[in-house]
Amino acid sequence: SQTIHQWPATLVQPVGSPLSLECTVEGTSNPNLYWYRQAAGRGLQLLFYSVGIGQISSEVPQNLSASRPQDRQFILSSKKLLLSDSGFYLCAWSTGYQDSYTFGSGTRLTVV
Amino acid sequence: GDSVTQMEGPVTLSEEAFLTINCTYTATGYPSLFWYVQYPGEGLQLLLKATKADDKGSNKGFEATYRKETTSFHLEKGSVQVSDSAVYFCALIYNNDMRFGAGTRLTVKP
Repeated sequence: SQTIHQWPATLVQPVGSPLSLECTVEGTSNPNLYWYRQAAGRGLQLLFYSVGIGQISSEVPQNLSASRPQDRQFILSSKKLLLSDSGFYLCAWSTGYQDSYTFGSGTRLTVV
Repeated sequence: GDSVTQMEGPVTLSEEAFLTINCTYTATGYPSLFWYVQYPGEGLQLLLKATKADDKGSNKGFEATYRKETTSFHLEKGSVQVSDSAVYFCALIYNNDMRFGAGTRLTVKP
């Protein structure tokens, strides 16, 4: 069966520090991968999606970036965090055939 | 573009009350429709889905029917429990582009 792993679960980082969040999927090949952000009490904002290795589409301009170095690995990064980057970050995957997305357990990022 | 509109919360109910969370959609094609649930501090979990008109999705006592004529996918449960307290998201997908509603927070009091 397919599983999605996301870590770390919580992170407290100072303003201006770098960020790396990792997401991996097991049990499937060539998944579509997604990064979402959820601000406190708000809905979901799609940040990046990827349909294959090295293929990244950005939905919103910001100081975050994403990379997909391997088929089932998706990384969210920042060189210098801002206070406004605080939030709950969710990774998700799908088969790409109009089926449901499966979400990871999320990372709570607090920038101080 | 395609979009989903769901009723604003928060919704507060007593245990064993009837629940309805309204969801309507706008789509140019024939999307699949979903309800997701998010418990505190967790990711989203798929609750139920429907892929074509008149389909009824159901899970854990929750139901929703894909109504093409009213472009709706309302979530219902006959008797809510405290453990149902969570945020509920309606969503649609078409051409592998998933759109989420803003979420409705449900609190069930004993």
